[in-house]
Amino acid sequence: NAGVTQTPKFRILKIGQSMTLQCTQDMNHNYMYWYRQDPGMGLKLIYYSVGAGITDKGEVPNGYNVSRSTTEDFPLRLELAAPSQTSVYFCASRLWGFAEAFFGQGTRLTVV
Amino acid sequence: GIQVEQSPPDLILQEGANSTLRCNFSDSVNNLQWFHQNPWGQLINLFYIPSGTKQNGRLSATTVATERYSLLYISSSQTTDSGVYFCAVEETSGSRLTFGEGTQLTVNP
Repeated sequence: NAGVTQTPKFRILKIGQSMTLQCTQDMNHNYMYWYRQDPGMGLKLIYYSVGAGITDKGEVPNGYNVSRSTTEDFPLRLELAAPSQTSVYFCASRLWGFAEAFFGQGTRLTVV
Repeated sequence: GIQVEQSPPDLILQEGANSTLRCNFSDSVNNLQWFHQNPWGQLINLFYIPSGTKQNGRLSATTVATERYSLLYISSSQTTDSGVYFCAVEETSGSRLTFGEGTQLTVNP
């Protein structure tokens, strides 16, 4: 099992550009999450999904979109990149119920 | 939503010392995990512990769900223990996993 895989690992975007951060898990987990982590801070929830076709907003959803067409994939879309979106993005997954979450390696995004 | 508070925010130790990190949460939880974020940014699962006590080598954790707190104990600390320790919880009424702000641990040789 590869676990939770995020791509790319690093990316530099110009203001106004768009991109999709990819997240794939091979553990057949129902729940998937996207977080952002600003320097010296904790992780803030952007969006989450409890299964294919079901997504919901977290604490900081503005400027982002998600979709969950399959159990394995949970891409995060940035439509109009802004400097405030410079951050490290983490994807996580876990099974329904009493189960631990597993995290990907993160994507470091810089918007200039 | 649920509030998660970690203390202390920063902790500096000499190698070999023991420490206790605390996580308080404001509501009933289904899920509580402790993570270590190493200096390279990787999040490492330490414990899944919604209640009770667990031990793994020099680390142990206790969650008292009825009193809404969890403790992480690090004994005989090593420089490789340095990094940020996060507590994350899922409240019983939802599916979100909410993180505290973390404890920055520095272990000096």
